[in-house]
Amino acid sequence: QVLLQQSGPGLVKPSQTLSLSCSVTGASVNSRDHRWGWVRLPPGKGPEWIGDMYSSGTTYRNGALRSRVSLSVDTSLNRFSLRMKFMTAADTAVYFCVRAVEQTEESYFDAWGQGVLVNVSS
Amino acid sequence: DIQMTQSPPSLSASVGDTVTITCQASEEARKYVSWYRHRPGKAPELLIYEASKSQKGAPSRFRGGGYATEFSFTISGVLPEDSGTYYCQQYDSLPLTFGLGTRLEIK
Repeated sequence: QVLLQQSGPGLVKPSQTLSLSCSVTGASVNSRDHRWGWVRLPPGKGPEWIGDMYSSGTTYRNGALRSRVSLSVDTSLNRFSLRMKFMTAADTAVYFCVRAVEQTEESYFDAWGQGVLVNVSS
Repeated sequence: DIQMTQSPPSLSASVGDTVTITCQASEEARKYVSWYRHRPGKAPELLIYEASKSQKGAPSRFRGGGYATEFSFTISGVLPEDSGTYYCQQYDSLPLTFGLGTRLEIK
């Protein structure tokens, strides 16, 4: 069973950078069949895909967030991370780490972390 | 971007009822739609992928169907643990997009 355990702050000040990590047990981030990524759920809205990547470095990001988002995978620690710059109140959301299963070229998500509520406020 | 219009936004059902949620895609998504359940305080769960394929371990009362722009998700025999919010997602093209969700309340 794949388990994704998230860590990171619940409060970020406006203009600061959000950093979240996700530790993986029960699977290897080196898998060629899976991507590792992030989805967020703003209050009162539907989920928004942020991006995901292979451990090889191939990365896919939502164009609306591309310039502010960095993704990374650490194979030695079997975990992956998100950094999002220039946070504003509009980025307040529950952030989920996910494992993505690629089908054709795109993917669905077969494992999710428990979620971290990130509040952007001074 | 493919917009996923999900309906209804909410519904209320009694144990044993059959309920259906629909998602309409703004462009053809072929068969590349998945469905998730999100129960409060828990991680979301994948139930259906490729429009109609059941995820391993998902209860058999969950079924999906559809193609191109019209998709449906049905729970046959609702149970109390089905309370939560259900989302559709298209993965035919980037950016990956979701519906706004359907909140299911069990009476």
